[in-house]
Amino acid sequence: QVQLDQSGSEVKRPGASVKVSCKASGYTFTNYPLHWVRQAPGQRLEWMGWINPANGNIKYSDNFQGRVTLTSDTSANTAYMDLDGLRSEDTAVYFCARFYFDLRGGRLDYWGQGTLVIVSS
Amino acid sequence: DIQMTQSPSSLSASIGDRVTITCRASQNINTYLNWYQQKPGKAPKLLIYAASSLQSGVPSRFSGSGSGTDFSLTISSLQPEDFATYYCQQSFTTVTFGQGTRLDIK
Repeated sequence: QVQLDQSGSEVKRPGASVKVSCKASGYTFTNYPLHWVRQAPGQRLEWMGWINPANGNIKYSDNFQGRVTLTSDTSANTAYMDLDGLRSEDTAVYFCARFYFDLRGGRLDYWGQGTLVIVSS
Repeated sequence: DIQMTQSPSSLSASIGDRVTITCRASQNINTYLNWYQQKPGKAPKLLIYAASSLQSGVPSRFSGSGSGTDFSLTISSLQPEDFATYYCQQSFTTVTFGQGTRLDIK
């Protein structure tokens, strides 16, 4: 069965960086892009970007341009999200999600369990 | 960027009620519209894709309709496990979510 297993919670100081991992299993890792979405407490889902593990193509949301870096390791079936220059507003749960695309369009059909990142001095 | 606006933002209903949530896109997105259900402390779950297609394993009381800019999600007969927050999401260009509709028990 398809699973996306994310790394554990993190507590970071303002200005620091965080790296969240997302290990895929149950499907061919290079066949589907992975998206990253975050959710601040009580807020809506916010899209951050996606990476295509097959070719390394990446697209970032303008809201995170320059602060977020998405990478993937096909030998480990794992994707990573690095967020730099952390501020208190970055306190959120970060999700990875598989993007399934066909002629009817794309959708996020499987999600990781989420990683809580707390930014606090 | 395409903006997605849901209404209402919150809704109270009873078991067995028929409930409809609407979602409006700021421009034509054809049928590139998905619906998700999220429960507290959990990841979102895909319910409906391509505006009206039911994701495998999702109960048939959930249905979606619409195209262009106006879409809706209907739950035909509310069950206790349906009380959650619902999000629409467009995939016409990258990804954008609506602000969510919280559905709770009256």
